[in-house]
Amino acid sequence: EDQVTQSPEALRLQEGESSSLNCSYTVSGLRGLFWYRQDPGKGPEFLFTLYSAGEEKEKERLKATLTKKESFLHITAPKPEDSATYLCAVQANYQLIWGAGTKLIIKP
Amino acid sequence: EPEVTQTPSHQVTQMGQEVILRCVPISNHLYFYWYRQILGQKVEFLVSFYNNEISEKSEIFDDQFSVERPDGSNFTLKIRSTKLEDSAMYFCASHRQGNQPQHFGDGTRLSIL
Repeated sequence: EDQVTQSPEALRLQEGESSSLNCSYTVSGLRGLFWYRQDPGKGPEFLFTLYSAGEEKEKERLKATLTKKESFLHITAPKPEDSATYLCAVQANYQLIWGAGTKLIIKP
Repeated sequence: EPEVTQTPSHQVTQMGQEVILRCVPISNHLYFYWYRQILGQKVEFLVSFYNNEISEKSEIFDDQFSVERPDGSNFTLKIRSTKLEDSAMYFCASHRQGNQPQHFGDGTRLSIL
């Protein structure tokens, strides 16, 4: 069965304290792994797409990496505005299969 | 930057009533989706739509649900006889090609009383 698991469920960091979020997955025929950011009351906002093991993408303080079993979202020197829920999803056929998300809180 | 637009932002409906949720996808996109997110739970796939027909649907998308693209800009989700358990955020998404990222609207919060 296709499945996506994210850890930790929640993460509290001080401003400037770097860390990583994990997304492990099992899917038959990975067509892409996607990272989204979701703010309260809003829809998921696209961050990155990764298609093959070894691929890396970077944007400002965020860097996403992919292996055959998991993806990491590294956040370097985060700021309070990085506080959000970060969602991981894998594409199987047309649909996206989602993890439960990691709620990230950055304290000033 | 173009965006997906959903209306209304909040819909309150009596159980058993029909409800239509509306979406305007990004104008040059060809693939359209509905997802839902029950409070505190994962986002769940409902249905995908391409070339004027359903391309994939989940077990959630039973006979009570239907989708339509009535013109060149709107994409709607209809729930024929709502149940309490249909209460959720409903998100519309679209993209231009099959494995490109899906872009989401801000959702419609559906509350069934």
